[in-house]
This record gives sequence, C-alpha cells and structure tokens, in this order.
Amino acid sequence: DGGITQSPKYLFRKEGQNVTLSCEQNLNHDAMYWYRQDPGQGLRLIYYSQIVNDFQKGDIAEGYSVSREKKESFPLTVTSAQKNPTAFYLCASSTGPRTTYEQYFGPGTRLTVT
Amino acid sequence: LAKTTQPISMDSYEGQEVNITCSHNNIATNDYITWYQQFPSQGPRFIIQGYKTKVTNEVASLFIPADRKSSTLSLPRVSLSDTAVYYCLVGDGENNDMRFGAGTRLTVKP
Repeated sequence: DGGITQSPKYLFRKEGQNVTLSCEQNLNHDAMYWYRQDPGQGLRLIYYSQIVNDFQKGDIAEGYSVSREKKESFPLTVTSAQKNPTAFYLCASSTGPRTTYEQYFGPGTRLTVT
Repeated sequence: LAKTTQPISMDSYEGQEVNITCSHNNIATNDYITWYQQFPSQGPRFIIQGYKTKVTNEVASLFIPADRKSSTLSLPRVSLSDTAVYYCLVGDGENNDMRFGAGTRLTVKP
C-alpha cells in the first residue's frame, strides 16, 4: 500500500536533547512538508521540500532542522533551541504545489519534552 | 495570502445535510479553495478542491459563488463518523502558500 509513515507514534525526551522524527513516503511525490499542531489549533508549517536536496523554511522553522537526501525521506530534527517542542508533528507529501495538489498526511508523532 | 474565516463549531444530527461556509474576501486570481477533514490524533484528509462554481465528488460538494469571496462545503446526510474538524484553505498559487486556521469543529449527534 502506498502512503506516508511516521515513527514513532509517541516520543518522550528530556529537555535539552535533540530528537529526530522520521517521515517516509512511497508515493513517489516530489514535495514533502512538516507541520506542527498544538491543542485546539490548526497546523503550522515548519519546513517544506519541493525536490531532493532542497528545502525551505516555513512559518515556524526556528529550532528545527531538516534534510532531504532521498526522495522518499524527509526527517525532522527538533533541536534544544526549540523553546516549546511538545506538540503533535505531522508530515505530508504532494505531487506538486500544495496549493493545487492534494496533500497526503502521515499519522503523526506526538512529542513530549519534559 | 487570503485570510479565511469559518465558524468555530457546528452541531448537526445524523441524516442531515451540513453546510459549512468559509469567508475569504481577499482571494486572489490564482488561488484555489481546498477543504480538509481531521479526526483527533490523526493527520488531515483531503476532501475537495475547487476554483469556481461547483465541484462534487463522492463525499462532498463545494459551492463557490461568482465573486469567489466565500465558499460552502456541503456534506450530504452526515453520520456520527463525520464528527471532525473541517479546515478551509485558500492557496496562493503564485507563492505556493496556504494556511490552516483553527477550522470548524462539527459534531454530529444521534
């Protein structure tokens, strides 16, 4: 089955530690995205990549980093510089620009930092 | 980027038609209108997208008036499983930009 996988579903870390969230897709999509969602709010864009080896900052990139070495993979690192990292993180992909193409979302990773 | 405004919440009963209206007064010529559905602790799911007039698929219809300053998502004969948050997004095609607002929380009652 084609789709997007995110792992793990739940992640717990101590404050001050970097943590990497995995996102893999087998849809052959060029574009991939990372969003953050806080309780009761909509999604906010962290980073996006329209092609391998290229990515751009979204609205809330501070404290996060990404890489896009393979078309299928777009890992997100939450660094210790991110002041409020506890949130629900969602990865998505699309064939083309997200404004005109359907985004396919993964199941999400819920990160808790204490 | 056009701002969208939609009701915070709506209630309905099983079997009824539900219409959720989204206002986007500053929509630009290149912008498309897209709706997503999200269940708790899951990623959003694409419902429908349109540019003008009416679009219909197997789950919903999208009505867009000629001035495109608003749009209405219509869900026919809702069931309990349609309880979710529905997001209206307007995409800036030129800059590949679109924003998720807080959405409309639809509760379907038996």
